[in-house]
This record gives sequence, structure tokens and C-alpha cells, in this order.
Amino acid sequence: NAGVTQTPKFQVLKTGQSMTLQCAQDMNHEYMSWYRQDPGMGLRLIHYSVGAGITDQGEVPNGYNVSRSTTEDFPLRLLSAAPSQTSVYFCASSAGITSGNTIYFGEGSWLTVV
Amino acid sequence: AQKITQTQPGMFVQEKEAVTLDCTYDTSDPSYGLFWYKQPSSGEMIFLIYQGSYDQQNATEGRYSLNFQKARKSANLVISASQLGDSAMYFCAMRGPDSGAGSYQLTFGKGTKLSVIP
Repeated sequence: NAGVTQTPKFQVLKTGQSMTLQCAQDMNHEYMSWYRQDPGMGLRLIHYSVGAGITDQGEVPNGYNVSRSTTEDFPLRLLSAAPSQTSVYFCASSAGITSGNTIYFGEGSWLTVV
Repeated sequence: AQKITQTQPGMFVQEKEAVTLDCTYDTSDPSYGLFWYKQPSSGEMIFLIYQGSYDQQNATEGRYSLNFQKARKSANLVISASQLGDSAMYFCAMRGPDSGAGSYQLTFGKGTKLSVIP
């Protein structure tokens, strides 16, 4: 079972560069989301999607864009990377409130902006 | 707004002993869900256990159990018979009410680092 797959696992960017973190799930889940984890913190929600074509902002959306063209994929775009975006990024998916209530996470993407 | 508080930054436990990790939460919603996740040094987030706000019994999953005290707004994780592989960060998290986008978003605590001593 692949579950939630994130790529790349590690990335170093220069300030001002752009990049996309990829996220794919093979569980046919409606709900997908992106979190970031900073040292000494729990995860904070960046953006989420309740289905293909529908996205919305979470707690810390600034500097990030998302789109959801298919059920399977939910990429996170950094338009102009800043050192403050150095973090570990997690993609998550869930079938929703009738699913058994589990939210599954990918293995994380470590991003460093220099 | 929802809030999760984990007051123990670090805990030590002897191998084969039981340990309780504390979690308190704050919400005005009558319907919510509580999760515990394990994050080993390799970084992935591993789902451990779930408790719904209307569940009458405390959740159990193998060596993990959730001590749910609704009136006190606490959801402590109990790990029985600790193993060396249990050394990790543990996060308590809350899902919002059973309607709308809040039903699948999680609010996390800052975590507790558990170290199991041989």
C-alpha cells in the first residue's frame, strides 16, 4: 500500500526560488491537506482541499499556493521561497468523517531555504 | 478556537513499565475527535489511536489506550509495557466538529518526547 506519497524528501532552495512539493494518495480520499512542522512545534495547517477543484486556506497560508485538479494529487507551491519557509512539510489525507476518522500522513518533505 | 496542551516536553520511562502522556484540550464544539500520533526520529507521523467525543468507552489499540475524561477535557495516552522502539515524539491532536471543513483538519499540541530506558 502506497498510502500518501510525498516528493521530494529533501530539498535545498535559494531565497527567491520557486518549487513544488508533490503529494499523491491512492486511497480515493476526498480530503487532503498540507501541514508544516517547525522545531518544538506541532504541525500547523497551511492549505486544505475538500475535493477536486476545491481548496481553502488553513492557519499559515502565506507564501504558498495549492490546486486540486484530481482526487489523487494535491501539490504545494512555494512561489518565492524565504528562509522562514525552512520547515518539514507533511501532506495528509482522509476519507472524511465517515471513514473511521483516521487522517493519514505522508513521510514528510524536509525543505531548507538558504 | 481549538487548543491542545501537552505540558510534558520530555518523559523518561523504564523498559517494560507503563507511561502516561498528558493531553488537555479546549473547544466549544460538542462534537470533536482526539488523536495521538507518534513521530520517531525518522520523521514520519504514525497514527496510534482515536477517540470520538461521543464514544462511551476509552479507545484501545494494542499497548495504547486513551484515558478520556470529557468533563476535565483531557485525553491522556497510556502506553503499557514500554519498549525501546517507543522512544519518539508523541503528539496529541484534535479534529473539529462533524460538519464542514473542520471535520478533517487537525490542531496539534507541541508534543512530548518519550525516552525509554533499558
